[in-house]
Amino acid sequence: GEDVEQSLFLSVREGDSSVINCTYTDSSSTYLYWYKQEPGAGLQLLTYIFSNMDMKQDQRLTVLLNKKDKHLSLRIADTQTGDSAIYFCAESISGNTPLVFGKGTRLSVIA
Amino acid sequence: DTAVSQTPKYLVTQMGNDKSIKCEQNLGHDTMYWYKQDSKKFLKIMFSYNNKELIINETVPNRFSPKSPDKAHLNLHINSLELGDSAVYFCASSQGIIEAFFGQGTRLTVV
Repeated sequence: GEDVEQSLFLSVREGDSSVINCTYTDSSSTYLYWYKQEPGAGLQLLTYIFSNMDMKQDQRLTVLLNKKDKHLSLRIADTQTGDSAIYFCAESISGNTPLVFGKGTRLSVIA
Repeated sequence: DTAVSQTPKYLVTQMGNDKSIKCEQNLGHDTMYWYKQDSKKFLKIMFSYNNKELIINETVPNRFSPKSPDKAHLNLHINSLELGDSAVYFCASSQGIIEAFFGQGTRLTVV
């Protein structure tokens, strides 16, 4: 079945880059996403990538996809204290199919 | 205007009660979802529903039932609440596009 794995915790210093990694098992995954959840809040889509892309950059965010290894990463440049949150990797087969989420990586930014 | 809204935001109730959580989306989307986030922040799909089809995650107890009075609403009804039902429940919607929009969540506490 589908499975998405992430490490649970990451701690970085303010101003450093953060890299959050994710692996997935379903080779038919077409869309891969990164969602952010701040304490007590809902899920906010940060970025997404199609499976036919290798990289996507959006301001401080860079997503890298290695389809062969089924590995997805999110790099946050110049990490700020406001970036402290849980980051969820997710995948879906199409735009109207439910998302399969990883367990989330809790990012702590140390000032 | 809020794209996906859920009510109530917090719900505290006793074991054995029946309760409903309402969800409304004003995006004109055809597909709506309910996700459950447990105390460890793990997110799992419960239901996906569009005009034509209800897809139920087979692990969801039949005490949970989605009810859709119209395309813009997907309510979640729960019978005979149990302690283990305590969680945050998220509604979401999408339509043939990349992003699933999430509500802010309903924190259910069963005592």
